[in-house]
Amino acid sequence: DIQMTQSPSSLSASVGDGVTITCRASQSISRNLNWYQQKPGKAPKLLIYATSSLQSGVPSRFSGSGSGTDFTLTISSLQPEDFATYYCQQSYTTPRTFGQGTKVEIK
Amino acid sequence: QVQLVQSGSELKKPGASVKVSCKASGYTFTSYTMNWVRQAPGQGLEWMGWINTNTGNPTYAQGFTGRFVFSLDTSVSTTYLQISSLKAEDTAVYYCARGSTVPDFWGQGTLVTVSS
Repeated sequence: DIQMTQSPSSLSASVGDGVTITCRASQSISRNLNWYQQKPGKAPKLLIYATSSLQSGVPSRFSGSGSGTDFTLTISSLQPEDFATYYCQQSYTTPRTFGQGTKVEIK
Repeated sequence: QVQLVQSGSELKKPGASVKVSCKASGYTFTSYTMNWVRQAPGQGLEWMGWINTNTGNPTYAQGFTGRFVFSLDTSVSTTYLQISSLKAEDTAVYYCARGSTVPDFWGQGTLVTVSS
């Protein structure tokens, strides 16, 4: 199975800050990487697919990059509604493994 | 608009079975594979597997074989997750999510609690 490792596991930031979350795959997954946002008690919401494609309706302050084994999710200017947990998921092969999550908290 | 509506919360005793449903609307049901994802309390997301809604063929991740069964009824655009011989560690929220490469729409989740 492909292992997905996110870092950091949590971070504290202020409204307006720029934030970067990384996701590393245990083997190359080309650009088959999705990012999700999850708020407490809610289902995950797709933010970015295929590494860098923004899902419809997602604000442009979210962006993704990478290829192979190393990927990043960047939030250019944190807004109050962005405080949540973020997950990466590889869609290269089965099982479709997720990272362990990164919790973004208010400083 | 695309919607996946799951059945309500369940409280079950150890050893019992549960069947969770996921009803799709707003798109052609057989055009998208349906995933099942587990989230234990306070934990991350775990991919359980998926079912091909065209053929009915399921694929299970390791750790979800034997007691877990995916099925579907295309006449009502619904997929099902059945868990038998429930254990306390099956307590979790279970999500359905549409799409094999890009799971874009998710159900609201179904909490299954296993307790004596």
